[in-house]
Amino acid sequence: SQTIHQWPATLVQPVGSPLSLECTVEGTSNPNLYWYRQAAGRGLQLLFYSVGIGQISSEVPQNLSASRPQDRQFILSSKKLLLSDSGFYLCAWTTGDPSGNTIYFGEGSWLTVV
Amino acid sequence: GQNIDQPTEMTATEGAIVQINCTYQTSGFNGLFWYQQHAGEAPTFLSYNVLDGLEEKGRFSSFLSRSKGYSYLLLKELQMKDSASYLCAVKSDSWGKFQFGAGTQVVVTP
Repeated sequence: SQTIHQWPATLVQPVGSPLSLECTVEGTSNPNLYWYRQAAGRGLQLLFYSVGIGQISSEVPQNLSASRPQDRQFILSSKKLLLSDSGFYLCAWTTGDPSGNTIYFGEGSWLTVV
Repeated sequence: GQNIDQPTEMTATEGAIVQINCTYQTSGFNGLFWYQQHAGEAPTFLSYNVLDGLEEKGRFSSFLSRSKGYSYLLLKELQMKDSASYLCAVKSDSWGKFQFGAGTQVVVTP
């Protein structure tokens, strides 16, 4: 069966510090991968998605970036965090098959920028 | 633009029925999904509609009308554990671009 994991689960970072969140998927190949952010009491905002290694599409211009160095690995980064980057970050995957009918989420990472 | 609208909050008593409406305007449509999200946790999949009509899964049912850009999630025989946020999402591209609504917080009272 397929599983998705992301880490760290929680982190508190000062303004201006770097960020790296990692996500891996097991049990499938060539998945579509996503990073979402959810601010307190808000909906899910799509940040980045990837349909293959090295292929990254950005939905919202910001100081975050994403990379996909391996087929089942997706990394969210920032060189300098802002207070507004605080939130709940979710990695997700879907099958690369267009008939795929749902999206699966990792456990989430709580980021507090202080 | 693309919009997915759902009410912010709904309150109902244990054992009752609640209907959460969702309207959408997206550039494409490849299915409508409902997710449940408990506070501090990741969303979990509840139901999926791609054709018009009603899909029933136990206490949860979901309805879709593509011509009206409308869906609802029906929760029957409410239990306290059903207190959560319910997210409506549209798969707007064939490869898998999912757009989410802001969520409806359902509060179940004794």
